[in-house]
Amino acid sequence: GENVEQHPSTLSVQEGDSAVIKCTYSDSASNYFPWYKQELGKRPQLIIDIRSNVGEKKDQRIAVTLNKTAKHFSLHITETQPEDSAVYFCAVRGGGNKLTFGTGTQLKVEL
Amino acid sequence: SAVISQKPSRDICQRGTSLTIQCQVDSQVTMMFWYRQQPGQSLTLIATANQGSEATYESGFVIDKFPISRPNLTFSTLTVSNMSPEDSSIYLCSVVAGTDTQYFGPGTRLTVL
Repeated sequence: GENVEQHPSTLSVQEGDSAVIKCTYSDSASNYFPWYKQELGKRPQLIIDIRSNVGEKKDQRIAVTLNKTAKHFSLHITETQPEDSAVYFCAVRGGGNKLTFGTGTQLKVEL
Repeated sequence: SAVISQKPSRDICQRGTSLTIQCQVDSQVTMMFWYRQQPGQSLTLIATANQGSEATYESGFVIDKFPISRPNLTFSTLTVSNMSPEDSSIYLCSVVAGTDTQYFGPGTRLTVL
């Protein structure tokens, strides 16, 4: 089955700096790559996604890049704010519309 | 988007008992899933809830332990049977709505004593 690796497991940045989280996957047939943000005690919330026919997508301070050849994709958050502090999960959709999740990154934005 | 509700939001149960979790969606959806999130961990797919047929379970999860019902396109239940402390987790219902966006319910926080 699909194997998704996510790095780093924890990330601490200063407010205003950029944060980058990277994921790799194993199944070259995977075609959909969402990112979720989960605040403590809350449900995962979709923040951005990208499909396999697109190399980059941006939504305000958040962007995702996809390299299908290398089978990796990254989340980029610019001008980080304290409210960006949360756990971020990448995910990969393969066969059967099933999502396989990465292990998560705890992002802390320090004042 | 889809609005998903789950009941109960949390429960504390004794080992050996069973708990049934309900998931209600505000619109008809084809794809519905159940996930488990153990404390401090990522999300693991338990099964795909199929309307009108038996659920499809992932490796490591069996129907006797996690029976699932899906009577229609807006509702599903997950039962955690013969519980042990290792079953203490958050259980999340999830649906695919729109093009292929996947949404999550608020989760059910289960503690087994």
